[in-house]
Amino acid sequence: EVQLVESGGRLVQPGGSLRLSCAASGFTFSSHWMTWVRQAPGKGLEWVANIKQDGSEKNYVDSVKGRFTISRDNAKNSMYLQLDSLGTEDTAVYYCAREARLRGGFDLWGQGTLVTVSS
Amino acid sequence: QSVLTQPPSASGTPGQRVTISCSGSSSNIGSNYVYWYQQLPGTAPKLLIYKNNQRPSGVPDRFSGSKSDTSASLAISGLRSEDEANYYCSAWDGSLNNWVFGGGTKLTVL
Repeated sequence: EVQLVESGGRLVQPGGSLRLSCAASGFTFSSHWMTWVRQAPGKGLEWVANIKQDGSEKNYVDSVKGRFTISRDNAKNSMYLQLDSLGTEDTAVYYCAREARLRGGFDLWGQGTLVTVSS
Repeated sequence: QSVLTQPPSASGTPGQRVTISCSGSSSNIGSNYVYWYQQLPGTAPKLLIYKNNQRPSGVPDRFSGSKSDTSASLAISGLRSEDEANYYCSAWDGSLNNWVFGGGTKLTVL
């Protein structure tokens, strides 16, 4: 089955760290750019970061630059997001998504994992 | 404040046609494709329209997209109760080197 499954979300204190994982299956993971998108409770979608097929290129939204690090392991069909120096504004559901090769856009999404930053 | 601007809400009765607008700038919509996503309550977003006006397989032809200069629109004809959802536009922004989203439009079927 073609799917993405996120994990790693939990309650963490302000200033803390967390590592999110996204496990891909059913497609050639190494052929796609991959993306993280987040959604704060009751709010809209916010693109967070993406990574090229071989990991050689990464982009981040300004609000997470220097705090979040995106990575991937094509041998494990997995993508990661390291979240450091977390603030309450980072509380959100984090989705991983596949960037479509020819169409563009995000054509496959995971179910999301909830990160709650609170003391 | 989202880079792309959408109306926060829209509504229509069953069978009606509704449109949702998305306004951007030369660095995003003006020079790149527009994508639309549908997010049903409690679920992950789903790609609805790609490359301005193309529908992925399985998306009914009641949904259509268009783009002109720095604006885009999503039209839904023959409105159905199951279309009640949040809709988001998105585009790559070449100045920011980011994907950007609109703030989302909550569609209510009256």
